[in-house]
Amino acid sequence: DGGITQSPKYLFRKEGQNVTLSCEQNLNHDAMYWYRQDPGQGLRLIYYSQIVNDFQKGDIAEGYSVSREKKESFPLTVTSAQKNPTAFYLCASGEELRGTDTQYFGPGTRLTVL
Amino acid sequence: AQSVSQHNHHVILSEAASLELGCNYSYGGTVNLFWYVQYPGQHLQLLLKYFSGDPLVKGIKGFEAEFIKSKFSFNLRKPSVQWSDTAEYFCAVNALISNFGNEKLTFGTGTRLTIIP
Repeated sequence: DGGITQSPKYLFRKEGQNVTLSCEQNLNHDAMYWYRQDPGQGLRLIYYSQIVNDFQKGDIAEGYSVSREKKESFPLTVTSAQKNPTAFYLCASGEELRGTDTQYFGPGTRLTVL
Repeated sequence: AQSVSQHNHHVILSEAASLELGCNYSYGGTVNLFWYVQYPGQHLQLLLKYFSGDPLVKGIKGFEAEFIKSKFSFNLRKPSVQWSDTAEYFCAVNALISNFGNEKLTFGTGTRLTIIP
């Protein structure tokens, strides 16, 4: 089955801890994205990547970091510098970084900071 | 910066009613427009998109949307809704700001649609 997987589905962390969210795709897509979804705010772009070893900040990158060492993987680290990390995180991919492209989304990870 | 407005936060309809969800965007240049849908327990998925040609686009499950450039709008419509249309609907815009395009999507805040059987 082709698609995007995110793990874990639910994640709890204590304040002050870094945590890494996994995102893997087997669609052979070049572009990958991380979004944050909060109630009443829609989706906001955190980071995106056009190609391996290249990534760009989105609209709300502060307190987050990413890497793109492999085409199929785009992990997101939520650092202790992120002031309000409790949210639903969505990973997406697209064939290319092109404005007309459809983005394909994973099932999401719900992060709760205790 | 581009912005997207979805003024209906929660819409409740009975089955067989007609649906129109509003979407307005702020950018005056060339745009690519999308509607995504998130059914309960499922991934966010594309419903339909417009990037050129006929401003009336048709998507999956009987949905359609009309791009009206003069009104900066891309409203979603369905003539007769079903209980299975219960979901959250997101409008998204990609504005072509440079010759190389702007690859980022800007999403609206979403509209929760509840269909009563």
